Amino acid sequence: DVKVTQSSRYLVKRTGEKVFLECVQDMDHENMFWYRQDPGLGLRLIYFSYDVKMKEKGDIPEGYSVSREKKERFSLILESASTNQTSMYLCASSLRGTLIYYGYTFGSGTRLTVV
Amino acid sequence: AQRVTQPEKLLSVFKGAPVELKCNYSYSGSPELFWYVQYSRQRLQLLLRHISRESIKGFTADLNKGETSFHLKKPFAQEEDSAMYYCALSVETSGSRLTFGEGTQLTVNP
Repeated sequence: DVKVTQSSRYLVKRTGEKVFLECVQDMDHENMFWYRQDPGLGLRLIYFSYDVKMKEKGDIPEGYSVSREKKERFSLILESASTNQTSMYLCASSLRGTLIYYGYTFGSGTRLTVV
Repeated sequence: AQRVTQPEKLLSVFKGAPVELKCNYSYSGSPELFWYVQYSRQRLQLLLRHISRESIKGFTADLNKGETSFHLKKPFAQEEDSAMYYCALSVETSGSRLTFGEGTQLTVNP
């Protein structure tokens, strides 16, 4: 009963490539988030969205952009991949107004390596 | 801006021993605090919410506003508790976004 699906588990890209990471949720959640997970740094918020076509910068948006054309899909775009973007990327979603009750539902993550 | 600090990157205990994972936060208002856990090769999942004052898998956590802490405790650790634990915080001005700590890798030895 997978609810948040990230399209790729592992991805290897070359420096300078444009990279798309896809996330789809089937729970009709309004809120969607992209984090990167690095050892010793924890999870850091890149971008988030509270509605279709809406996006807000998180704590580390530089080098990234996002797209939310449909409620269920939230895409993270690396405009020109660099080696310091090698990381585990986690997508999460939540139902509006329910964070304190149910928290986030996370995807399984995409481990991106930029060479 | 709000911040969450987990001072221990690694914590190792023996089975049956008590365990405490520390979490400190910086925020002057009334935050919502959470603990998330990631077992090996599994997704990150919610473990505890401070609002519910619940015990999950034997773990409890108490919000101490005076010390701005939300430490996770279990009286008798089990091997299956070995995992990465993250403390997270939400504040009323940030909507539904969570701020996470650096994480603590707990290993429970047999």
